[in-house]
Amino acid sequence: KQEVTQIPAALSVPEGENLVLNCSFTDSAIYNLQWFRQDPGKGLTSLLLIQSSQREQTSGRLNASLDKSSGRSTLYIAASQPGDSATYLCAVPGRDGNYQLIWGAGTKLIIKP
Amino acid sequence: ETGVTQTPRHLVMGMTNKKSLKCEQHLGHNAMYWYKQSAKKPLELMFVYNFKEQTENNSVPSRFSPECPNSSHLFLHLHTLQPEDSALYLCASSQVFGSGANVLTFGAGSRLTVL
Repeated sequence: KQEVTQIPAALSVPEGENLVLNCSFTDSAIYNLQWFRQDPGKGLTSLLLIQSSQREQTSGRLNASLDKSSGRSTLYIAASQPGDSATYLCAVPGRDGNYQLIWGAGTKLIIKP
Repeated sequence: ETGVTQTPRHLVMGMTNKKSLKCEQHLGHNAMYWYKQSAKKPLELMFVYNFKEQTENNSVPSRFSPECPNSSHLFLHLHTLQPEDSALYLCASSQVFGSGANVLTFGAGSRLTVL
């Protein structure tokens, strides 16, 4: 059974720092991996989708990598800004035929001005 | 602003009340989902509708009753809820269901508090 873990659960860093968020999964036979952002009290916004054949995806200051063999993905945020403060979630499709997303519990990120 | 609209954004109800959450998507998607998000827990998939037909019901208590009158609208009818049902209820849609290439678009959520 696929399980997705995100560590740490919370992270607080000063503005301007580069940082890495981690996502690990137990079954390496994934179709893709998605990173989402959730602002307090809001819905989820898709940030990046990495297909299983890809090693990384970039969008602006965000770079997501995928290492299927080790069951890990990282989200790299460059030159962090207070506006990056949010909860970041990763998710992978399950292998139950319906490909329901299996979610991590998220990392709450606070960027201090 | 996303293409998925949820109303109301906030709802407070007693355990004996009956209320409904509404979701509308303007993206031309064929699949719609209800998720429950409780504090510090992963998202829990509740229901999936694909082309207006319910395809998933993840052992959700009968006090939650979904309705999908068409591919653009999804309701979650609530009755005799418990305080532990207090959570953020998220609606999502996707072009198709049953594919690993699914990309979900989420609404802003309805924050439910059960007294």
